[in-house]
Amino acid sequence: DAGVIQSPRHEVTEMGQEVTLRCKPISGHNSLFWYRQTMMRGLELLIYFNNNVPIDDSGMPEDRFSAKMPNASFSTLKIQPSEPRDSAVYFCASSPRDSYNSPLHFGNGTRLTVT
Amino acid sequence: AQSVAQPEDQVNVAEGNPLTVKCTYSVSGNPYLFWYVQYPNRGLQFLLKYITGDNLVKGSYGFEAEFNKSQTSFHLKKPSALVSDSALYFCAVRDDSSASKIIFGSGTRLSIRP
Repeated sequence: DAGVIQSPRHEVTEMGQEVTLRCKPISGHNSLFWYRQTMMRGLELLIYFNNNVPIDDSGMPEDRFSAKMPNASFSTLKIQPSEPRDSAVYFCASSPRDSYNSPLHFGNGTRLTVT
Repeated sequence: AQSVAQPEDQVNVAEGNPLTVKCTYSVSGNPYLFWYVQYPNRGLQFLLKYITGDNLVKGSYGFEAEFNKSQTSFHLKKPSALVSDSALYFCAVRDDSSASKIIFGSGTRLSIRP
C-alpha cells in the first residue's frame, strides 16, 4: 500500500498564475478530502467527495478554487488565479468510506508558495 | 454544531515522565473522537479513536486516550514519554448526524526533552 500520493511536494508560483495540485487516494477508498493547513487558521476542510461526487464544498474559500474527481483514483485542486494569501500546505486524505468511525489517511501534502 | 478545543499550544515533558495532551469537544449527537500525530513535513497519521464502549482507548506507539462524557473531554496520554514522541498532535471530532464533517483542533506541539 503506497498510501495517499500527492504531487508536487512543493510549488512556487507567481501571483496570478494557475496552480493545480494532484492527489491519488489509496486504492479501494471511496471518500476523498482536501484540507489546507496554515499557522493562522490551522487545518481547514475545503471539500470532500464520496464515490467521486462532491458532497460538501462549503470550505472552498472563493470561486478561484475548484476541485474535481474524474475517477476513483485521481483528484485535482485548482487555484486560478493564485494569490499570496493562498500560500499554505494542502493535504489530500482518503478513507475507506464516509462512515463516522473511519479514520483518514493523509498524503504528505503540497507546500504552495505564491509570490 | 461541532467544535473541538485543544487549550494548550505547547506541552513540554521530560523523557520518561507521563504526558497528557488535552482535548475537549462539543457535538449535538454521539461523538466520534480521534487523535492524529503530525511529524515535520509529513501528513497527519491516525493514532487512535473512540467510537463506543470502553472509555480508555489504546492506540499506536503506546498512546492511549480517556473518553469522559461528563467533562466532554478526550485527553491523550502516555505513561512514559520518548524524545521521538515530539510532534504536533491533533484531536478531531465528528458526530453521528448525516451531514457531519470531521473537525480538527488547532493542534498541540509536544516537546520531549532528554
